[in-house]
Amino acid sequence: AQKVTQAQTEISVVEKEDVTLDCVYETRDTTYYLFWYKQPPSGELVFLIRRNSFDEQNEISGRYSWNFQKSTSSFNFTITASQVVDSAVYFCALTGTASKLTFGTGTRLQVTL
Amino acid sequence: EPEVTQTPSHQVTQMGQEVILRCVPISNHLYFYWYRQILGQKVEFLVSFYNNEISEKSEIFDDQFSVERPDGSNFTLKIRSTKLEDSAMYFCASSEYRVWAETQYFGPGTRLLVL
Repeated sequence: AQKVTQAQTEISVVEKEDVTLDCVYETRDTTYYLFWYKQPPSGELVFLIRRNSFDEQNEISGRYSWNFQKSTSSFNFTITASQVVDSAVYFCALTGTASKLTFGTGTRLQVTL
Repeated sequence: EPEVTQTPSHQVTQMGQEVILRCVPISNHLYFYWYRQILGQKVEFLVSFYNNEISEKSEIFDDQFSVERPDGSNFTLKIRSTKLEDSAMYFCASSEYRVWAETQYFGPGTRLLVL
């Protein structure tokens, strides 16, 4: 069975602070993919990134960066210089040999001025 | 940019009534999904659909649920006799290929409230 754990239920930061959202996963599949999705207050799910299990290179996209560490089964997401528009719920998700996504419980990020 | 669309955005129904939630996946996508999110909880997989048949379904997707692709563009989720616990946000998603781990793009959701 697959499992994704996002231990941080809610994080509050002041604008311009850096923030890291943690994601720990469990899977028996040797090949798998990890995802991050953003759910803003309007409710939709916005795809942010996909990473396969063979690629442990960190990725940076603007103010966003992702740290994948297979040894600790973690796929953490860092927002640098956070902005109010980053306020949302962020979900980490996993897929293995089946195509369905297994989501974590999400981390609500609140960025204030 | 192509996107998944869903109608209606909100639906209120009485317990025991049938509801049909509609989705238009991205046009060249071949693999379709329904997920649901009970308020404040995580997103849960319901069903995946490819080539006019169900590929996989979760234990949530019981006999009260059905999916259909009635034409070349729509993908529907039917709940035959709604229960209070069916109140949730329902998301449709699609992916381009029938390849596992292909990125799934989500629609804006339909918020269903069963009274």
